Amino acid sequence: DAGVIQSPRHEVTEMGQEVTLRCKPISGHDYLFWYRQTMMRGLELLIYFNNNVPIDDSGMPEDRFSAKMPNASFSTLKIQPSEPRDSAVYFCASSLSRPLSGNTIYFGEGSWLTVV
Amino acid sequence: LAKTTQPISMDSYEGQEVNITCSHNNIATNDYITWYQQFPSQGPRFIIQGYKTKVTNEVASLFIPADRKSSTLSLPRVSLSDTAVYYCLVGPDQTGANNLFFGTGTRLTVIP
Repeated sequence: DAGVIQSPRHEVTEMGQEVTLRCKPISGHDYLFWYRQTMMRGLELLIYFNNNVPIDDSGMPEDRFSAKMPNASFSTLKIQPSEPRDSAVYFCASSLSRPLSGNTIYFGEGSWLTVV
Repeated sequence: LAKTTQPISMDSYEGQEVNITCSHNNIATNDYITWYQQFPSQGPRFIIQGYKTKVTNEVASLFIPADRKSSTLSLPRVSLSDTAVYYCLVGPDQTGANNLFFGTGTRLTVIP
């Protein structure tokens, strides 16, 4: 399996622009997660899905952030409008079943976002 | 409310054994303890998972005392390539996102 695939790997955008990050989970995985990593806050969970349904979005920082999972093989994280403080590495991850109950969470390589 | 507490950073010389301890005083009966490793510019990857006593694989050992309120990740004879951030997680995900919180982990630096 190719693992969790994210795109783009790197993006530099101007403040106010819309940013869309994409993710393809590992085939057959029921859970999909979006994380954000910064030096100050570490690795934070933004939102996660189970069978394409959002389960917990309490980590989404504000209304400028939205995430969708239209089918089992694709998810997007959108920031509109983007701000410099959104600069971070965004990771997508997936797991076969209920995470931590003997099930590993597999991470993608991350999308490095810089908002100038 | 964070469920785990671990040191922010550790340094070690090459060839030494490194032990990273994680505190999880409120661990639940059906919770597992899972450790992840993250190299620079990469996503975290699974290292080891355990429920009680000792678990060993080709990468590390995990020691869990009888009360399960803490756990220790042991890396034998570390090399420079073991320089990474190590995260301790406790779960399953019963209460939502809290158990899936990685935080800042323990930054291990291996010195030549």
